[in-house]
Order: sequence, then structure tokens, then C-alpha cells
Amino acid sequence: GAVVSQHPSRVICKSGTSVKIECRSLDFQATTMFWYRQFPKQSLMLMATSNEGSKATYEQGVEKDKFLINHASLTLSTLTVTSAHPEDSSFYICSASPPAGSGNTIYFGEGSWLTVV
Amino acid sequence: DAKTTQPTSMDCAEGRAANLPCNHSTISGNEYVYWYRQIHSQGPQYIIHGLKNNETNEMASLIITEDRKSSTLILPHATLRDTAVYYCIVRVGTSYGKLTFGQGTILTVHP
Repeated sequence: GAVVSQHPSRVICKSGTSVKIECRSLDFQATTMFWYRQFPKQSLMLMATSNEGSKATYEQGVEKDKFLINHASLTLSTLTVTSAHPEDSSFYICSASPPAGSGNTIYFGEGSWLTVV
Repeated sequence: DAKTTQPTSMDCAEGRAANLPCNHSTISGNEYVYWYRQIHSQGPQYIIHGLKNNETNEMASLIITEDRKSSTLILPHATLRDTAVYYCIVRVGTSYGKLTFGQGTILTVHP
């Protein structure tokens, strides 16, 4: 079945540095991918919609200059947390769905734990 | 997308059926019911979805009431590995993949 993969699964970075998280659709092309954030004991919150070949769409309250999204190919979207601070420490998850007609199922990556120290 | 209401937590004995309810009284005619689960520290896993007919796959069964205002996810023989947070989500089937997560139900399967 369709698979979405994220890398890295865990990353620790120093405060003030930037970190990039990759999201790949392994056996289908995804013109749209989604990035979520999840704090401990909370539900997933949508951050942004990643559109291949165009600018990402951010949810209200999400800083586009802090969370840079690049969707350069049909199988890869990246999320870069710039000038990270401890409050950015969270579980980041991406999702993607195969083209219409493939069951309308949305698949999620394994998630990436970010710890900013 | 329509809002859903789920119990905060449920318990189930290993080997027994786990029945997880979900209310979606404001569901529209073109909205599907999706179920996902999230095991600790992992991304959500797709379980099943349906529009109005009952559905079954290798993981679970989905029972949707005739008025479509509620549904039940059934795990026929729960195991300890089914302990997870279960999310019931209602969305338009043809929309491009954005999901709105509620708080879900924490299912604990005990020996």
C-alpha cells in the first residue's frame, strides 16, 4: 500500500539553529502534502498545506517565516524550523494522499520528534 | 467538516471486541466517516472509512447508523497492541486531504 516516510525520526538542535524535516511519498506522487504539529497529550494541529510548485498555505497563527515549507517535487516536501527555540520542541507529522480514484485514503508519516535545547 | 464527539477513554479486555462510538450529528450528505488511530510516538494509522454502508476490512468494522448521525468502530478481537488513541473524523471525500483531529478516544486494552 501507499507509504509516507519522514526523516529524521528524532532530532536535537541548539536554540537559534535551523532544522529540516523531510516528508516523502514512497510509491505515489502527491501534489499536496500536509504538515501537523502535536504537543504532548494533545491532538494533531494542522500547520500548513504544502503545494508542489507553489507557495505553501499556512493555518492561522502559524508563522510562515519561521516554518519554511518547500515542495520541490511530487514526492518530497520539507519543513524547516528556522531559529528554533525550546517552545518549538514538538512532534511534527506529515501526510499525503494518492491521486483521486485511489481510495481517498490519507497516509501519515512516522513523525519527527524535535527537541530544541 | 462536521464536528465529532467521542468518549475520552475506554477500556477493553484482551480478546474481546472493542466498540468505539462516535457522534457526528451535523454530518452532511457528502461527508465520509474516517477512523485513524495513533499509537504512542507514532504517526496516525488509517483504519477504515465509509459513507453510509457498513464497512469491514482486515483491521476493523465500521457500523454507520441509518441517519448517519453516529457510527461505531469495532475491533473484533482486541489485543494489547491495539492500545492507542482512536480518532473519528468526518470529511468531504473529494477534498484534497486535510484532516481536522479532535481529542479522540484513548483505548486501553488490558490482559
